Order: sequence, then C-alpha cells, then structure tokens
Amino acid sequence: GEDVEQSLFLSVREGDSSVINCTYTDSSSTYLYWYKQEPGAGLQLLTYIFSNMDMKQDQRLTVLLNKKDKHLSLRIADTQTGDSAIYFCAEGNTGTASKLTFGTGTRLQVTL
Amino acid sequence: GAVVSQHPSRVICKSGTSVKIECRSLDFQATTMFWYRQFPKQSLMLMATSNEGSKATYEQGVEKDKFLINHASLTLSTLTVTSAHPEDSSFYICSGVLQETQYFGPGTRLLVL
Repeated sequence: GEDVEQSLFLSVREGDSSVINCTYTDSSSTYLYWYKQEPGAGLQLLTYIFSNMDMKQDQRLTVLLNKKDKHLSLRIADTQTGDSAIYFCAEGNTGTASKLTFGTGTRLQVTL
Repeated sequence: GAVVSQHPSRVICKSGTSVKIECRSLDFQATTMFWYRQFPKQSLMLMATSNEGSKATYEQGVEKDKFLINHASLTLSTLTVTSAHPEDSSFYICSGVLQETQYFGPGTRLLVL
C-alpha cells in the first residue's frame, strides 16, 4: 500500500525559514497536500500541488515537488511562533474518490 | 468557504453507552465525507468513507457494527460509537469533500470512562 513518511520533529528560531520534508511511494499520486494541525484542533488545509507541477508559492509558503524522487517539501519563510503546530503531508489520487494517505506528521517548534 | 463543523467538540460517557458525533458541511454540499480517528501524537487513521444516500465503506479492521455511520443529507454525516469502551477514547475527525479536496472539522474528543 501507499506509504508517506515525514521526520517527527523540527525546531527553528523565529524569523528563520522552516523546511518540512515528506516522501511518498505511490507514483500515481495526483494531488499532494499540506495540512496544519494545532493542539486539540482539526486539520487546516494550507496548500496543495498537482503532480504535474514542480513548485507552488503562496505568500510565505513554498511547496517543492520532485516527482522522480517522490519527495515533497514545504518551506515556511519568516517562521513565526504562530506557525508552531503539526504539519501533515498527504497524497491523493483522483481515481480513489479523494481518499488521502497521510504522513506521520512533523511537529514544528518555533523558538524565540 | 468550505467550512466543516463537528458536534460535540468534547464528550465524556460511561462504558457501555452510545455516543453520536455529527459532522456538518456549513457552506457546501458534501456527497462524500470521511471519518478519521487520531491517537495522541499519531497521524490520522481513516475509519470509513461516508457517501450520501448509500452505505458507508469501512476500512479494514474497523467494525461497522460498532461505528455506525449515517449520511442522511448532503450536509450531515453522523458517527455513532455503540457500546463504547475505554479503548474507544480518541480524537475523531471528519472531513467533507469539495472539488476533490478534503476540508476538515475541528474534531471531537471522546473519553469513555
């Protein structure tokens, strides 16, 4: 089955850039997503990228996709304390009725 | 747009009782909704796919008689945990699908004593 892996923890200083990485195994993935989860809350969709794109930028967020290596990254510029949360990548395929496979989640800690 | 709500946000119940959790899409119609379970410090585990007007599709290992799902309308899906036990204590999250993207509810924390 599909497998999506992320590193468990990342600590950055406020104002620095954060890069959260994700690897996946399903080469037929059509969409790749980044979600943010704050403590005790649901998931907030941050951004997504189609598999035929290499990069997508949305304000402080930049998503890079290396389809050959099945590697996805999320870069957060000028990281703020409010960015502290768990970040999940997820992959989906139009052929599976929007079903997603989630990564293990990366806890981002932003220090002063 | 694409807001999903859940009710209740938190519930405590006694072992053996049943608990119903509601998932509503507030500003869109969701033919498909998903139900997830999340254990502390873990990822989301898909429990079932809820389709309006038809039976839910359960993932392997999820007991359909224990976790009853009803998708009565295009904006409401319910998950009923029947005869709850302490091991059912968890964070339950639903999502609604709009244009092939999932939008998540805020989650329901269930504690079974």
